[in-house]
Amino acid sequence: QVSLKESGPGILQPFQTLSLTCSFSGFSLGTSNMGVGWIRQTSGKGLEYLATIWWDDDKYFNPSLNSRLTVSKDTSNNQAFLKITSVDTADTGTYYCTRANWDWYFDFWGPGTMVTVSS
Amino acid sequence: DIQMTQSPASLSASLEEIVTITCQASQDIGNYLSWYQQKPGKSPQLLIHSATSLADGVPSRFSGSRSGTQYSLKINRLQVEDTGIYYCLQHYSAPWTFGGGTKLELK
Repeated sequence: QVSLKESGPGILQPFQTLSLTCSFSGFSLGTSNMGVGWIRQTSGKGLEYLATIWWDDDKYFNPSLNSRLTVSKDTSNNQAFLKITSVDTADTGTYYCTRANWDWYFDFWGPGTMVTVSS
Repeated sequence: DIQMTQSPASLSASLEEIVTITCQASQDIGNYLSWYQQKPGKSPQLLIHSATSLADGVPSRFSGSRSGTQYSLKINRLQVEDTGIYYCLQHYSAPWTFGGGTKLELK
């Protein structure tokens, strides 16, 4: 069955780079029309779409954070990665990785990882 | 960006009652609309995709419908385990956007 799990630093300081890893099983990013999406949940903006990386290395980003976001994947090891540069307190929240399927919706979600930005 | 206006923001209903939550899209999104349920401390779980299709394992008392750019999630015969926060998501056009959520409680 499909499962995903996020991992990250927990706490970081303003202006640092947030690096998150999504480790998944039950599907492959080597399979056509599969993707991994990143979504966060903050007290200020609710659920917010961040980015998706697809099996063919195509990438979509939320333009509101576009210049700060990087997504990548390691297909062989069933992992996907998200980096957000120059974080501030508004980036505090829970970050989820999800499976994006052929119809572009998110059908499986990880449990989420909490990220706190604080000096 | 496509705006998804979800209503109501909160809702209190009785057991066995019929509940309806709506999302209004700011433009045509076809059937690229999904619904999620989130329990406290948990990640959102898919209920409905493609506006009207029930996700695997979801009870049949949940259903989705569409009228133009308005989408509805209906819960027939509300159960205790249906409390939580419900979100819609449009996945027609990037950036995908969520509705603001509906908090459903038991009366």
